[in-house]
Amino acid sequence: AQSVTQLGSHVSVSEGALVLLRCNYSSSVPPYLFWYVQYPNQGLQLLLKYTTGATLVKGINGFEAEFKKSETSFHLTKPSAHMSDAAEYFCAVSNSGYSTLTFGKGTMLLVSP
Amino acid sequence: DAGITQSPRHKVTETGTPVTLRCHQTENHRYMYWYRQDPGHGLRLIHYSYGVKDTDKGEVSDGYSVSRSKTEDFLLTLESATSSQTSVYFCAISESAENQPQHFGDGTRLSIL
Repeated sequence: AQSVTQLGSHVSVSEGALVLLRCNYSSSVPPYLFWYVQYPNQGLQLLLKYTTGATLVKGINGFEAEFKKSETSFHLTKPSAHMSDAAEYFCAVSNSGYSTLTFGKGTMLLVSP
Repeated sequence: DAGITQSPRHKVTETGTPVTLRCHQTENHRYMYWYRQDPGHGLRLIHYSYGVKDTDKGEVSDGYSVSRSKTEDFLLTLESATSSQTSVYFCAISESAENQPQHFGDGTRLSIL
């Protein structure tokens, strides 16, 4: 069985500060990992994905995430927050043999001036 | 953006009435998914399809049925709507199941009074 835990339902940062959103997963086999962003009244948009290969993955809008197998983590970071980054972020996991994604419950990122 | 259209975008109806939501794609993707999104729960999978007439249940399938008679259309039906089914419903599509991302529609906001 797969599961995803996102630590913190809300994270607040100041504009220009580091963004760190945490994601831990459980999976019995090597996982495929995804981060999505959702702006108000919109669907989810893919930020980045890890399938195989390089463990540091770069995505859109300056975000990146690092797959750490030993820690079963896939934390999302951005060096400098922008007001436009305020949104809800979802981590998701899948793996070979599964036809579906399992999502975390989401983290709302709040950015203050 | 992936060609996904959900209809209607908003609907208000009464308890006990049947409701059908439609998801239409122009990408010719094999996999289609229906999710519901509720505060504090993230996205939960209702049903999914892996081909025409091929469907399977997700985490929260009770009270819902689906049909896929054409590659491009995936219908979600609430046979007798209940207030607990008030939610935002998202359709997603994917080219393949495992390491490919899902692309999401803009959602249908359904209120059952």
